[in-house]
Amino acid sequence: QLQLQESGPRLVKPSETLSLTCTVSGGSITSPNFYWGWIRQPPGKGLEWIGSTYYSGRTDYNPSLKSRVTISVDTSKKQFSLRLTSVTAADTAVYYCARHRARDIYFDYWGQGTLVSVSS
Amino acid sequence: EIVLTQSPGTLSLSPGERATLSCRASQSVSSRYVAWYQQKPGQAPRLLIYGASSRATGIPDRFSGSGSGTDFSLTITRLEPEDFAVYYCQQYGSLPWTFGQGTKVEIK
Repeated sequence: QLQLQESGPRLVKPSETLSLTCTVSGGSITSPNFYWGWIRQPPGKGLEWIGSTYYSGRTDYNPSLKSRVTISVDTSKKQFSLRLTSVTAADTAVYYCARHRARDIYFDYWGQGTLVSVSS
Repeated sequence: EIVLTQSPGTLSLSPGERATLSCRASQSVSSRYVAWYQQKPGQAPRLLIYGASSRATGIPDRFSGSGSGTDFSLTITRLEPEDFAVYYCQQYGSLPWTFGQGTKVEIK
């Protein structure tokens, strides 16, 4: 059974960089059929797709965050990572990693999510 | 960007009743590329429907999706106690992939 697990600091100071890693187990991160994405959810609010990466390193980003986001993949560790720079309180959210198909971008496996708070 | 508007915001129903949730897109969603998710408090979303009407693996047949163009819906024929949750639609017809704001189905 495929499992995804987010890890990283739970508290980040304003103007600093948020960094999270998602570890994939029970399946291959190099499957040609799937992409690996990040989605966030501010407390009490809806879902926002941040971006996705392919095992080759190809990425797609949400234009609303593109200037601040980098998503990378490390196939040897079966991990992919999110970096979000210049964070503000508006970036406080539960961050999920998830898998989607290469052609059909619906998210079929999700991590449990991790709450990252931006505060001094 | 395609904006998805879900209605109603909250649906108050009793177990056994039928629930119909709406998702309207600001522009046509190509190839019926709409998915639906269920989210319970403290949990990650769970995929219910993809391709507007295909049930994901393990999803009971009381859940069904329909629609095309700009209007999509999710129907739960007979609400079970475990179905009370928040439901989100998502479009993947064009970048960026976007979600609706959610419909909460609560016990009346």
